[in-house]
Amino acid sequence: QSVLTQPPSASGTPGQRVTISCSGSSSNIGNNPVNWYQQVPGTAPKLLLHSNDQRPSGVPDRFSGSKSGTSASLAISGLQSEDEADYYCAAWDGSLKGYVFGTGTKVTVL
Amino acid sequence: EVQLVESGGGLVQPGGSLRLSCAASGFTFSSSWMHWVRQVPGEGLVWVSNVNYEGSTTFYADSVKGRFTISRDNAKSTLYLQMNSLRAEDTAVYYCVRGGSWDWGQGTLVTVSA
Repeated sequence: QSVLTQPPSASGTPGQRVTISCSGSSSNIGNNPVNWYQQVPGTAPKLLLHSNDQRPSGVPDRFSGSKSGTSASLAISGLQSEDEADYYCAAWDGSLKGYVFGTGTKVTVL
Repeated sequence: EVQLVESGGGLVQPGGSLRLSCAASGFTFSSSWMHWVRQVPGEGLVWVSNVNYEGSTTFYADSVKGRFTISRDNAKSTLYLQMNSLRAEDTAVYYCVRGGSWDWGQGTLVTVSA
C-alpha cells in the first residue's frame, strides 16, 4: 500500500505543460527530500529528479520539481511523445522506517 | 558505467525459498547504500529493503519483515536478498537499486505459484 498519493493519469498534447501532484505527510515528504522516477513500459525505472528539484545529468530541463509542506509536484513543460511513461514520487518515511513510493501517474501524450 | 545485474529469480512454490543476487560494477560498491524494490507487473513500485555500507544496518517493509533478509558482500560487490516463506503476493519483478544516485538494475522475476 502506497502512502504517497498521485493522480492515476495525466495527459496533454505535444508542447503543453503537464503537472503531477504527490501528496504525503509530515513523516515523509514533510521532512525528507522527494525523488521522482520515470518508467517507460517494459523498462526499469529511471531517476528523473532528486532532492525535490535537482535534475541528474542528462535529464532535459523541461522536467522540474517543487515541494511545499507535505506535497510535491513534477512539471513537464513542452511535452514530447517520448515523455509518455509512468511517473512515481518517493521519499523516506521516518515513521515507517522505510522508503515509500507514490501510487504512480500514467502520462499520455495525445 | 554503473551496472547492476540481478539473478536468481524463477518459479517457486508457496512456502519455498529463493535467494536473489545483484552483481554491481562501475562504482565503489562499499560506499553505497543498496535497496531492493519490487513491482508486480502492471502495478506500482514497492520498496522492499535496504542496507547500509557495511551491512550492519538494515530496514524492511512490513510486508516482508521476518521473512526476507538483505545482505551484501563488499569484497564481491554483490547484494543479496534471501526470501523465505514465500507467498503468492510476493510475485513480482525485483529490482536492485543503488542508493544516492538511484541507479536501477533490469530486474529479475520471481513467481510464487503451486
